[in-house]
Amino acid sequence: EAAVTQSPRNKVTVTGGNVTLSCRQTNSHNYMYWYRQDTGHGLRLIHYSYGAGNLQIGDVPDGYKATRTTQEDFFLLLELASPSQTSLYFCASSVDRASGNTLYFGEGSRLIVV
Amino acid sequence: GDSVTQMQGQVTLSEDDFLFINCTYSTTWYPTLFWYVQYPGEGPQLLLKVTTANNKGISRGFEATYDKRTTSFHLQKASVQESDSAVYYCVLSSSGSWQLIFGSGTQLTVMP
Repeated sequence: EAAVTQSPRNKVTVTGGNVTLSCRQTNSHNYMYWYRQDTGHGLRLIHYSYGAGNLQIGDVPDGYKATRTTQEDFFLLLELASPSQTSLYFCASSVDRASGNTLYFGEGSRLIVV
Repeated sequence: GDSVTQMQGQVTLSEDDFLFINCTYSTTWYPTLFWYVQYPGEGPQLLLKVTTANNKGISRGFEATYDKRTTSFHLQKASVQESDSAVYYCVLSSSGSWQLIFGSGTQLTVMP
């Protein structure tokens, strides 16, 4: 069973604040993803990566940066947080491209921007 | 582009009731369809996967059938339990795109 661990699990920050969400996977998967989950929208892809040093843009990238420092670690950065970024964020990994492959999700990081 | 529609935002049932969740999709490519389930406080996890080769998937008492004619992908279970209370996501992957398209989710609540 793939293990994906996110931190922090909960975070409150002020508008304009700087936030980093961390994700580590321990199953040597190549692909890692950041999604946000909002009521009525399901899960929307922010950024993804297929290996250390690689970064690809997802469907809702505005206001977010990401960095994949190692095969295990993928970070999501909000440098000027806004209330519209209040959401539940999920990290996921897969052995290969998402198409046809199982995604393994972490438990989520809830971010509130006040 | 590809899309997925789940019209049932919330479904409330009693234990031993029959569950049916409808999902429709749109793609010009060959689809692979998934149902992911998300229990409270957890991330989504794969429930089952259906391809054009097999048309049907079964897992943990749930069954999903893919109908190419109506471009629908239903999830059903004969007798639900309180432990099945969760959010169920219909997910599309097409041969023309590597990405997964998530539906908006159906919150299932099963009353004891």
